[in-house]
Formats: sequence, structure tokens, C-alpha cells
Amino acid sequence: KNEVEQSPQNLTAQEGEFITINCSYSVGISALHWLQQHPGGGIVSLFMLSSGKKKHGRLIATINIQEKHSSLHITASHPRDSAVYICAALNYGQNFVFGPGTRLSVLP
Amino acid sequence: DSGVTQTPKHLITATGQRVTLRCSPRSGDLSVYWYQQSLDQGLQFLIHYYNGEERAKGNILERFSAQQFPDLHSELNLSSLELGDSALYFCASSGGVSNQPQHFGDGTRLSIL
Repeated sequence: KNEVEQSPQNLTAQEGEFITINCSYSVGISALHWLQQHPGGGIVSLFMLSSGKKKHGRLIATINIQEKHSSLHITASHPRDSAVYICAALNYGQNFVFGPGTRLSVLP
Repeated sequence: DSGVTQTPKHLITATGQRVTLRCSPRSGDLSVYWYQQSLDQGLQFLIHYYNGEERAKGNILERFSAQQFPDLHSELNLSSLELGDSALYFCASSGGVSNQPQHFGDGTRLSIL
């Protein structure tokens, strides 16, 4: 069993739909990061969470420490949101453990 | 533009060779992280430096080494290269020692022939 798992693996949505990507981890963590990797390969850090909820524009990230679960939500999705979304858990050894990624395609 | 500069963008070399990848962090950032992304293993954390000191080590092979210099730029040295080392190598920087958002460079694509 991988230490960090994501679901779904692939997701296709129509423009305007509400999207949820899930991340579950089995290790103790000090923080969890959500990353976006564009088709060209560039990586952008979206959120860093250690508790609660954060919002930036149409993106919302939540974390439940007790359940070892985080979600990334995209409201009013747009084709430019098409990317691979990766969650990364920072364990207490200060090592990052990455999920396998969720490939999102938003169709116009 | 993240402010993190990685050079070179592409590198093609042969098995058994040695290469050096370079990373200049965003101005003011003291932490540098190195990651490897291969097709079969996804993203993997290699190593973290903060203000010249090694802070955490991940899945970094003994053939690989890194350092962070007084001007805060960092180099990742890969030696005795194998076909399986072909990957995209990312550098990221952040302001603090931990729990800070990271800013990623565009990566160096290493191809071993």
C-alpha cells in the first residue's frame, strides 16, 4: 500500500462542473501540499495545509488530520484547469512523499 | 515565472558519465529542494538544503550528491549514470526551513543514451 494515495486517477469534466480530487495518507504528517503540473511539465504549488481549509480563487483545499484525508476542490472548472494534480505529504522526518497524481481534463 | 532558475534545460549523455545540474533559488529563499520525476516512479523527493546545511534526505542514490553554496545556489551531481536515471529533475525553493510554499523551477530533462 502506498503511503499517499489519490483518487480518481483520471477525471474528465465539462466546463463549469465542480471537481473534487481526494488524497489519503497513512503516515503522520506536519503538512500536506497540493501541486499542479501543467501539460508542459511545469509545477506550481497551489496550497500548503496543516489544518482546516484554504481558498484561492476557484480552488479550495481541505484537510482532516484525524481521518488522514485531504481534498482539492475546483469550482466552475475551466479548460485551463486541465493538468495533473499531485498531493505531497511532508512527514515528520521532513521527507516529502508524493501521491501518484490525478490527471484532470476539462472539456469546453 | 517562479524566480527559480535551473540549468541546463536539457542534457543528453551516455551511461557511465557524470553530470551537474544547477539551481538558483528565488531571491531571498534559503531552502532548496531537489526532486526526480521519472515515467515509472512519479515524483520523488531527493534532498533538502537550508542555508547551506543538509536538512533532509529522501530517495537519493549514493551515486548522487548535492550541495548548497554560500550564495545559496545548489548543484546536484549525478555520477556513473544509468539508463534508469533518465528523468526530469526539479529544483524548488522556499523562504523558511519547513512548512512553506515552494516555488519550482522548470526542470532539467536528463536523457541517458
